[in-house]
Amino acid sequence: SQTIHQWPATLVQPVGSPLSLECTVEGTSNPNLYWYRQAAGRGLQLLFYSVGIGQISSEVPQNLSASRPQDRQFILSSKKLLLSDSGFYLCAWSRQGRETQYFGPGTRLLVL
Amino acid sequence: SQELEQSPQSLIVQEGKNLTINCTSSKTLYGLYWYKQKYGEGLIFLMMLQKGGEEKSHEKITAKLDEKKQQSSLHITASQPSHAGIYLCGADTFIGGSNYKLTFGKGTLLTVNP
Repeated sequence: SQTIHQWPATLVQPVGSPLSLECTVEGTSNPNLYWYRQAAGRGLQLLFYSVGIGQISSEVPQNLSASRPQDRQFILSSKKLLLSDSGFYLCAWSRQGRETQYFGPGTRLLVL
Repeated sequence: SQELEQSPQSLIVQEGKNLTINCTSSKTLYGLYWYKQKYGEGLIFLMMLQKGGEEKSHEKITAKLDEKKQQSSLHITASQPSHAGIYLCGADTFIGGSNYKLTFGKGTLLTVNP
């Protein structure tokens, strides 16, 4: 069976510091991978998606970037965090095509 | 762009009562997903609907997609405290190639009082 991991679970960072959040998937190959942010009262917003290694598409302009160095690894980064980057970050995977997305446990980020 | 509106935004029910959550789309739905989320946790997939008039059930939860494929409802029968959480609907949106992203509603917060 497939599992998806995210770490860290919680992170408190000062404004201006760098960020690296990691997501890995087990039990499948060549998945589509997604990064979402959930902010209070604003629902889930898709930030990035990837259909293969090194292929990243950005949905909204922002202070964040994403990379996919390996088939089942998806990383969300920032060089300098802003207060507005606070939120709950969720990684998801799906098979190629129109398939159900399965979500990881999430990372809660607080930028102070 | 596609927008999903969920109603109600929040709902408090007594244990044992039935309830319905609605999800209305600004465009035709080609794939509609229901997820449940407990606070501070990831989303758990419940059901997926594709065809107009389709209805699916899992335990005490039933989801329907209307014939016109612009509205879905989630019905819980004889609610239990374990049903409490945030329910989100998500719609397939084509992003190119053979791939899709999900556009979500803002969610419905369900509280079940024992």
